[in-house]
Amino acid sequence: QKEVEQDPGPLSVPEGAIVSLNCTYSNSAFQYFMWYRQYSRKGPELLMYTYSSGNKEDGRFTAQVDKSSKYISLFIRDSQPSDSATYLCAMSAGGGGSNYKLTFGKGTLLTVNP
Amino acid sequence: DTAVSQTPKYLVTQMGNDKSIKCEQNLGHDTMYWYKQDSKKFLKIMFSYNNKELIINETVPNRFSPKSPDKAHLNLHINSLELGDSAVYFCASSQESRGRVSSGANVLTFGAGSRLTVL
Repeated sequence: QKEVEQDPGPLSVPEGAIVSLNCTYSNSAFQYFMWYRQYSRKGPELLMYTYSSGNKEDGRFTAQVDKSSKYISLFIRDSQPSDSATYLCAMSAGGGGSNYKLTFGKGTLLTVNP
Repeated sequence: DTAVSQTPKYLVTQMGNDKSIKCEQNLGHDTMYWYKQDSKKFLKIMFSYNNKELIINETVPNRFSPKSPDKAHLNLHINSLELGDSAVYFCASSQESRGRVSSGANVLTFGAGSRLTVL
């Protein structure tokens, strides 16, 4: 079993839809959970991150973490064509020391149609 | 002013050749990385350097050799290129540093990528 599983899609939605993107993981040491957005032919950029379980909201984006189920989600409300990109979940155990490794999911390609 | 810049952006070469990709960051970060992204968009860590010291070396063929002359630069040299090396290589940096209490999340800033095509 891969450490981080993410459905690669593709996912196609109409403008204004609510989008739900998800990842599951197997490593119970993961404590930091991130979502990166990658536009075509660009590098990934951090969208948001959460620590441990709970929700975090930033504008139209909400990140949720359920550590008991080893499941994380990213919700996009009122999706826009400019949200069309690949969304990658990423996780780390954090805590400093030598644990710098960030493990990524495969990414979900999202297209928002006008 | 680009935070993490890598060159070249595109590289097309023949099998068996040797090539290098250079990376520089002006964020003052202590740690730099090389990631490989294959055609299916899977991003996999290859190497990580903290203040010029190699700290992560994943299972990568020894044809790949990273070099960090200082903490702002991390280069990747690839010998005897193979077809399977075709991918996008991303450089990244983060503030994480050994010997310092971590702020928590290891947030990476990525470069724009170097697309390598081996013919």
